[in-house]
Amino acid sequence: DTGVSQDPRHKITKRGQNVTFRCDPISEHNRLYWYRQTLGQGPEFLTYFQNEAQLEKSRLLSDRFSAERPKGSFSTLEIQRTEQGDSAMYLCASSSGRSPLHFGNGTRLTVT
Amino acid sequence: GENVEQHPSTLSVQEGDSAVIKCTYSDSASNYFPWYKQELGKRPQLIIDIRSNVGEKKDQRIAVTLNKTAKHFSLHITETQPEDSAVYFCAASPNSGGSNYKLTFGKGTLLTVNP
Repeated sequence: DTGVSQDPRHKITKRGQNVTFRCDPISEHNRLYWYRQTLGQGPEFLTYFQNEAQLEKSRLLSDRFSAERPKGSFSTLEIQRTEQGDSAMYLCASSSGRSPLHFGNGTRLTVT
Repeated sequence: GENVEQHPSTLSVQEGDSAVIKCTYSDSASNYFPWYKQELGKRPQLIIDIRSNVGEKKDQRIAVTLNKTAKHFSLHITETQPEDSAVYFCAASPNSGGSNYKLTFGKGTLLTVNP
């Protein structure tokens, strides 16, 4: 499968714990995006990388959230001191040039 | 920022009928409008997209129309089949440096096609 892959698929954690998710984009794509989707809603933009540079962050991304793409390939999204409101599906997408965004299957986070 | 409204939130049709989903957007800078289909527990998948320099685009049973003056765009599915049942999302994006990013999504339409 040469699509966007995300790991893990599911994560259950206790409130206050830190979690980290990984995204591997389509190999030739230089742009990588993180979105969050809650039940019954469309995906919401969180942040965007072009190569290794993080070019934009949404106001939804509080100080507890940090994303990296150190070598311009895979990316990680870390949430520190998780809260119940962080429970959601975290979607990664990638693109290149004028190509559409291709999404991964997401990581479903449940904070208990 | 951009705001995308999508209607209806649910739509039930008989197999073979047509389905229409409508979206409006607020930011006149938006010029790229994709539609995604999301089946339960799966990734959003692009089904069709349109850029602001055209008013209509068609791909087999799926078509999208865009009215930039009125800031609305619509998805049309003809000859619906049970496998078309899913949640459909519209989205809008500005174009920056020739690329599309920062999609703003509608809240989705749950389409059910009854056999």
